Amino acid sequence: EVQLLESGGGLVQPGGSLRLSCAASGFTFSSYAMTWVRQAPGKGLEWVSAISDSGSNTHYADSVKGRFTISRDDSKNTLYLQMNSLRAEDTAVYYCAKVYWGGGRNFDYWGQGTLVTVSS
Amino acid sequence: QSVLTQPPSASGTPGQRVTISCSGSSSNIGSNAVNWYQQLPGTAPKLLIYNNNQRPSGVPDRFSGSKSGTSASLAISGLQSEDEADYYCAAWDDSLKGWVFGGGTKLTVL
Repeated sequence: EVQLLESGGGLVQPGGSLRLSCAASGFTFSSYAMTWVRQAPGKGLEWVSAISDSGSNTHYADSVKGRFTISRDDSKNTLYLQMNSLRAEDTAVYYCAKVYWGGGRNFDYWGQGTLVTVSS
Repeated sequence: QSVLTQPPSASGTPGQRVTISCSGSSSNIGSNAVNWYQQLPGTAPKLLIYNNNQRPSGVPDRFSGSKSGTSASLAISGLQSEDEADYYCAAWDDSLKGWVFGGGTKLTVL
């Protein structure tokens, strides 16, 4: 059974940093691209970042480019999102998801999310 | 303002058929597959339709998807109360080099 478990969320002041983790199990983690998607309170889904299966290719939404860094540790089956220079508008539930590139580039499994609140 | 355009709300009575539209452009829906996600209240999104019209294992055949040009649609037939949820379309965008989502459609079963 595929499981994705996010952690690392919390309250942080504007301008601060936070690192999110996503522990994966139930599939061969190193064979799949992974992604982060966020959802601000009461709002819709927004794609944030993705990393290829090899880790050599990364993509970012314009809203986080230069501030967020996605990475992975295949030895730990874990995906990360380093978030710097956080802003109030980054407040959201952050979901990690597994990418199935072959089926129309879809997100076939999602974690339950971790809440990030940026506020003074 | 989302790149993909969905109606904010839709509704129907039990047993009815409802459709939700998703409009994009040549750089996203026009050249890539559309995927649909269902988000039940208080839960994480779940893949509902992939590659325009394919259903993952376990998704009832009451749910179907289609695509034509730069638009896509999700149809739900035999509407049930448990279908009350938010529905999102999404696609890869060749210009943005990333995924784009619709703003979501809140489906109410009357």
